[in-house]
Amino acid sequence: QKEVEQNSGPLSVPEGAIASLNCTYSDRGSQSFFWYRQYSGKSPELIMFIYSNGDKEDGRFTAQLNKASQYVSLLIRDSQPSDSATYLCAVRGYSGGNKLVFGAGTILRVKS
Amino acid sequence: DAGVIQSPRHEVTEMGQEVTLRCKPISGHNSLFWYRQTMMRGLELLIYFNNNVPIDDSGMPEDRFSAKMPNASFSTLKIQPSEPRDSAVYFCASSYSTGEPQETQYFGPGTRLLVL
Repeated sequence: QKEVEQNSGPLSVPEGAIASLNCTYSDRGSQSFFWYRQYSGKSPELIMFIYSNGDKEDGRFTAQLNKASQYVSLLIRDSQPSDSATYLCAVRGYSGGNKLVFGAGTILRVKS
Repeated sequence: DAGVIQSPRHEVTEMGQEVTLRCKPISGHNSLFWYRQTMMRGLELLIYFNNNVPIDDSGMPEDRFSAKMPNASFSTLKIQPSEPRDSAVYFCASSYSTGEPQETQYFGPGTRLLVL
């Protein structure tokens, strides 16, 4: 079992729809969770992080964390073609110091 | 503010040659991370430093890879000798380590390495 799992996609959504990206993790003691966006040929850039159960909203983005289910998700409201990218979920474990473990990423395509 | 700086941005070399990748972290950051990204394996952590000291090098593939951080503003990743399977994008990232859960890593633009 991989430490951080994501559906590779591609996930295709029409412009204006809600895109839902999911991530599961194996380390029950994981402390914090990050979503990065990576455009083709570019470096990962942070979208948001979450470390408490529940929802955290930032503009069109909402991160959801359920530690009991070891599940974190990212919702993108009013999806735009410019949101088309690979979304990487990263997890900082309890015993991992300050290192992150990344999932393989989900490709999102927003069609206009 | 300047972000993480990496050089070179692209490197093409022949098998057996030595390759040196360079990274300048964000000023004030005390943790530095080297990653490798390939289609097959995704984004993998190779090694990371706290306060210039290597903390975890368990991701370094083999003895051909070495990394140094002689001071707080500079790090190198060296591959000697290089092999075609080393072809990948190598990212450097830095963070200000506080021990808090919201500590965030910021990535450089990457070095795209091709070993022929």
